[in-house]
Amino acid sequence: EPEVTQTPSHQVTQMGQEVILRCVPISNHLYFYWYRQILGQKVEFLVSFYNNEISEKSEIFDDQFSVERPDGSNFTLKIRSTKLEDSAMYFCASSVGDSFNNSPLHFGNGTRLTVT
Amino acid sequence: AQKITQTQPGMFVQEKEAVTLDCTYDTSDPSYGLFWYKQPSSGEMIFLIYQGSYDQQNATEGRYSLNFQKARKSANLVISASQLGDSAMYFCAMRELNTNAGKSTFGDGTTLTVKP
Repeated sequence: EPEVTQTPSHQVTQMGQEVILRCVPISNHLYFYWYRQILGQKVEFLVSFYNNEISEKSEIFDDQFSVERPDGSNFTLKIRSTKLEDSAMYFCASSVGDSFNNSPLHFGNGTRLTVT
Repeated sequence: AQKITQTQPGMFVQEKEAVTLDCTYDTSDPSYGLFWYKQPSSGEMIFLIYQGSYDQQNATEGRYSLNFQKARKSANLVISASQLGDSAMYFCAMRELNTNAGKSTFGDGTTLTVKP
C-alpha cells in the first residue's frame, strides 16, 4: 500500500539554525499538509497546500515557516531560524482531495525535531 | 471554543471487551467529516474510520464502529473485542467543508490501555 514517507526520522539542531523537513506524499494525492505534535500533546495544524500554493495556514505558521513542492514528488517544510519551542514531532500528511467524503489524511511516520 | 472535545484522557479495558471512546464536536458548518486516528507508542498516525455529516448510517470498519449522534454533536468510537494491540492514543478529528476546507482539527486524544 502506498505511503507517505518523511526524512529524516530525527533531526537535532541548534537554536537559530535553519532546518528542512522532507516529505514524499502519496503519488495520486492532491492535498498536502504539515501538522506538529509537541510531545504527548494534541496534533496541531500548520499548513495545507494545493495546486502549488498554500490553501490555509494556522497562527503557528508564521514568517519563519515556509513550504515548497520543488518537484513532482517532494514536499518540504522549512523553519528558517529554529527556536526551542519548535521542538516537536512534525507530521506530513496527504489526502486524495479536500472533500471530506472518504478522504482521510494519510500521515507519514513523522520527523522528531529537537532544538537545543 | 474547543471544536473537538475528548473528555477521557485515559481509559482502561479488559482484553476481549468492548470500549467506547468519547468525542464531541462543535461546528456551525452543516457539511463536515469526522475521523478517528490511532497513534501507537511508535508514533505513527493511522486512520481508522470516517463519518460524514450527511451519512444516515453509523460507520463501521471491522472492529471499529462510530456511534454518531448528530443532534448531540457526538461521534464516539466503539472498539469491540479489544486486543492488546489496541493500546494506543486515539484522536478524534473534524474537517469542516465550507469554512476550513482541507484542515482537520484534532481533539486532545484518549490513551487506551488494554489489560490482559
